[in-house]
Amino acid sequence: DAGVTQSPTHLIKTRGQQVTLRCSPKSGHDTVSWYQQALGQGPQFIFQYYEEEERQRGNFPDRFSGHQFPNYSSELNVNALLLGDSALYLCASSYAPTSGTFNEQFFGPGTRLTVL
Amino acid sequence: QKEVEQNSGPLSVPEGAIASLNCTYSDRGSQSFFWYRQYSGKSPELIMSIYSNGDKEDGRFTAQLNKASQYVSLLIRDSQPSDSATYLCAVNTGFQKLVFGTGTRLLVSP
Repeated sequence: DAGVTQSPTHLIKTRGQQVTLRCSPKSGHDTVSWYQQALGQGPQFIFQYYEEEERQRGNFPDRFSGHQFPNYSSELNVNALLLGDSALYLCASSYAPTSGTFNEQFFGPGTRLTVL
Repeated sequence: QKEVEQNSGPLSVPEGAIASLNCTYSDRGSQSFFWYRQYSGKSPELIMSIYSNGDKEDGRFTAQLNKASQYVSLLIRDSQPSDSATYLCAVNTGFQKLVFGTGTRLLVSP
């Protein structure tokens, strides 16, 4: 059973560029959440996708956008990159029954983004 | 006040000892709580989840929850050097949005 996969593993961009990160959820999961983890910090919630729609959003600017495809995979797009966007970007997948309260989230290996 | 607070450590324990990691949270309505282990340069790995007051045991790990005190803890019995990692406490604040603490670094010395 494949776990959560993310690509690419590492990425180096320059300020002002745009980047797209990809995630495939664990088999049987239908919800994808994206997190940003800066060095020495805990992951920060960016947004969550369920049924191809953004269901929740954290405190991140509109430069951060996403998409979920019919096969539940997801993309995170970041426009106009800033130096402060350098971080580990984590995708987490889960299964979302009606309540949504008690679901465990499983993380992929992450994409390390460096903005120069 | 931060939503989820953890002591950043490092917490140093000798091999074979019990490591005790603590976490407090501010949202009294939170219903589910998770502990993740993160090795340096890797992504977080789920090791425990707890939803009800009391203790939940899984192998060498015990999670403890006290909703009245808004307190979650993780005990690691018979600590091993391979347990050396950062332990992240996460709280589900609704619709699977996890809020994380900054993590506690655990060092287990042989």
